[in-house]
Amino acid sequence: DGGITQSPKYLFRKEGQNVTLSCEQNLNHDAMYWYRQDPGQGLRLIYYSQIVNDFQKGDIAEGYSVSREKKESFPLTVTSAQKNPTAFYLCASSIPRDTGVNYGYTFGSGTRLTVV
Amino acid sequence: AQTVTQSQPEMSVQEAETVTLSCTYDTSENNYYLFWYKQPPSRQMILVIRQEAYKQQNATENRFSVNFQKAAKSFSLKISDSQLGDTAMYFCAFDDYKLSFGAGTTVTVRA
Repeated sequence: DGGITQSPKYLFRKEGQNVTLSCEQNLNHDAMYWYRQDPGQGLRLIYYSQIVNDFQKGDIAEGYSVSREKKESFPLTVTSAQKNPTAFYLCASSIPRDTGVNYGYTFGSGTRLTVV
Repeated sequence: AQTVTQSQPEMSVQEAETVTLSCTYDTSENNYYLFWYKQPPSRQMILVIRQEAYKQQNATENRFSVNFQKAAKSFSLKISDSQLGDTAMYFCAFDDYKLSFGAGTTVTVRA
């Protein structure tokens, strides 16, 4: 079955550490996205990528970094510069709107990051 | 960033009844897509329904339907014949090459 796999499901980070969240998709989607969700709130966009080797900052990119070396993979690194990283992180993918179709975005099952 | 507003933080509905969730958005674009997503306690985001702005006809998916008012920039979701499995947080989202989400409405279906 095609889908998006996020790992790990739970992640614990010590103060001052960088951690990397994995996101892999086998849907052959060109576009991929990272969102952050805080308790009881909506999703906020961190970074997105419409094509391999290219990505753009979202609304809350400070303290985060990404890479897009392969179409299937879009890892997110939470750096020590992110002051409040405890949150639920969701990865998504989609067919770009330029194709003329839009079936919505497919989401992974998320990673819960906690600072200890 | 596009602004998406959901003014109802929580809604409660009796099983088999109907509930309507409101959503307004702000954009200067003419062609865009709107979505409703459901997030149950498992936290998996599930697409409920989508609407293309250039289509006047309101989208319907089984018990879920929307009332899309383009001029008013309004996009409400109606859940008919509510079921216990509909209990979830519902998010309205606007797509302009990236999804912008509202704050969400928590829907509780009572038995």
